[in-house]
Amino acid sequence: GENVEQHPSTLSVQEGDSAVIKCTYSDSASNYFPWYKQELGKRPQLIIDIRSNVGEKKDQRIAVTLNKTAKHFSLHITETQPEDSAVYFCAASRGLGNTGNQFYFGTGTSLTVIP
Amino acid sequence: GAVVSQHPSWVICKSGTSVKIECRSLDFQATTMFWYRQFPKQSLMLMATSNEGSKATYEQGVEKDKFLINHASLTLSTLTVTSAHPEDSSFYICSARPPGTRKSIGGYTFGSGTRLTVV
Repeated sequence: GENVEQHPSTLSVQEGDSAVIKCTYSDSASNYFPWYKQELGKRPQLIIDIRSNVGEKKDQRIAVTLNKTAKHFSLHITETQPEDSAVYFCAASRGLGNTGNQFYFGTGTSLTVIP
Repeated sequence: GAVVSQHPSWVICKSGTSVKIECRSLDFQATTMFWYRQFPKQSLMLMATSNEGSKATYEQGVEKDKFLINHASLTLSTLTVTSAHPEDSSFYICSARPPGTRKSIGGYTFGSGTRLTVV
């Protein structure tokens, strides 16, 4: 099955700096890679995703890059703000994220943005 | 937007008893739902895939007889933790994807989770 690894497990940055979280996956058939933000005690919320036919995607301060050959993808948050503090999970899935395909999650990164 | 409702949000039960957790898609039909377990400060671990009208598919290492999944309708999946023990204490969360969601958006919606404490 799929194995998703995520680094770092914890990350502290000063407000305004950038944060980068990296994930690798093992299943070359995985083709959909979402990122979730989970605040303490709450459900994960999708923040951005990328499909294997795209190398980079950006949404305001958040961007994701994908290297299919190396089987790794990264989340980039620029101009970090205290409200960005949360646990971030990457995930991998087959089937372009369609209904019947499960996600395999990374181990999570606890991001702290220091005011 | 699409909502997945999960109940109860928290439950405390005695060791040896069973607990049922419900996951409902409120405004869409979900032929497939996923159940995850999350231990404190750890990742979401996929437990099983719940398929409407058929048997659930369990991930390796997840006991089928302990974690009973029933997906009897297109809007409801239930997870029953049977003969619960303290080591089953965890945060259980379901997810589903509304059909017709734009492919540019992943669209998986998570329930609010159930915190189970077995004493």
